[in-house]
Amino acid sequence: DSGVTQTPKHLITATGQRVTLRCSPRSGDLSVYWYQQSLDQGLQFLIHYYNGEERAKGNILERFSAQQFPDLHSELNLSSLELGDSALYFCASSSSWDREQYFGPGTRLTVT
Amino acid sequence: AQKVTQAQTEISVVEKEDVTLDCVYETRDTTYYLFWYKQPPSGELVFLIRRNSFDEQNEISGRYSWNFQKSTSSFNFTITASQVVDSAVYFCALSEARSQGNLIFGKGTKLSVKP
Repeated sequence: DSGVTQTPKHLITATGQRVTLRCSPRSGDLSVYWYQQSLDQGLQFLIHYYNGEERAKGNILERFSAQQFPDLHSELNLSSLELGDSALYFCASSSSWDREQYFGPGTRLTVT
Repeated sequence: AQKVTQAQTEISVVEKEDVTLDCVYETRDTTYYLFWYKQPPSGELVFLIRRNSFDEQNEISGRYSWNFQKSTSSFNFTITASQVVDSAVYFCALSEARSQGNLIFGKGTKLSVKP
């Protein structure tokens, strides 16, 4: 158990819909990262938050957004969903940018 | 641009064989970190090791060992006396100081250990 929690574990929704994925980092970790894992793109970095502030953006679509709240949990919002957004979404946390990241169990999103 | 290459897509071995997973990276940064993660069939990503660019010492942890060579930009992972429980997809990853820690992953190597 990494100490990072993600909910829900599975999500099935229709095209055009909006969903919110939630992540709670390990106790004491201020950094939260979101990654997307798909068969064709592999594991890709989406966005990084540190103590409530956005620090870096990767290959994140404009339809996607994220935030980190004062209690350090983070949410990834995916809107106007398309079939190609079906993937496994991971959240990870670390104590510092140069330390290892610990990953949550992931949320498997299926868009039908 | 930073990049991580894991040339071996799939490897199949018989239990107790030794196996080496290759990882080659590209970066222009002088400060960077290399990682290996394991993704078993259950799907979670498990951290195995972190190495910084200034420490080229090899590391051994039980049956696992890692060989970091800056001269060849490689960070290879060896499992000695493989076991069925080692069956998983293994990812090598790179993070650079300039990008504040976001991980660039290789495509992964799927290791199958047969009894």
